[in-house]
Amino acid sequence: DGGITQSPKYLFRKEGQNVTLSCEQNLNHDAMYWYRQDPGQGLRLIYYSQIVNDFQKGDIAEGYSVSREKKESFPLTVTSAQKNPTAFYLCASSTGRFQETQYFGPGTRLLVL
Amino acid sequence: GQQLNQSPQSMFIQEGEDVSMNCTSSSIFNTWLWYKQDPGEGPVLLIALYKAGELTSNGRLTAQFGITRKDSFLNISASIPSDVGIYFCAGQLWNSGNTPLVFGKGTRLSVIA
Repeated sequence: DGGITQSPKYLFRKEGQNVTLSCEQNLNHDAMYWYRQDPGQGLRLIYYSQIVNDFQKGDIAEGYSVSREKKESFPLTVTSAQKNPTAFYLCASSTGRFQETQYFGPGTRLLVL
Repeated sequence: GQQLNQSPQSMFIQEGEDVSMNCTSSSIFNTWLWYKQDPGEGPVLLIALYKAGELTSNGRLTAQFGITRKDSFLNISASIPSDVGIYFCAGQLWNSGNTPLVFGKGTRLSVIA
């Protein structure tokens, strides 16, 4: 089955620690994205990557970092510099072409203790 | 960043009623997408629209790409309890190349049996 996987579903972290969220896709998509969603809120773009070894900041990149070493993978690190990291994190991918459609993974809920 | 105005913010309807929601913008879009998100899950694509004036159906769902390219609506006919969730519109700006989608803040639908 082709799709986007995010792991784990729930993640707990102590305040001050860095944590990395996994996102893998087997759709052969060039572009990948990370969004943050807070309760009752819409989606806010953190980072995106349109090609391997390249990525751009989204609207709320501060306190986050990413890498794109492989086409299939786009991990997101939530650093200790992120002041309010508790949220639902969504990964998405698309072909990256004109008039393309974006598909989402199931999400990871991060709780800071 | 760019925002879409999605309305209404929330709706409470009786089972069997029809539902209508819309997204508007001051900018021109070349693509409109509608997603549904169930609690604790990632958004799922419902309908994709690529041409001005296009009207597309998916079962009880119908969406249209506004003729001015600045708006889109989604209708759900004969609502059922499993229609409950958050509906998001998303668009790709005209002549934006491969820039990320712009998302509305969502319409939260509640269906009363």
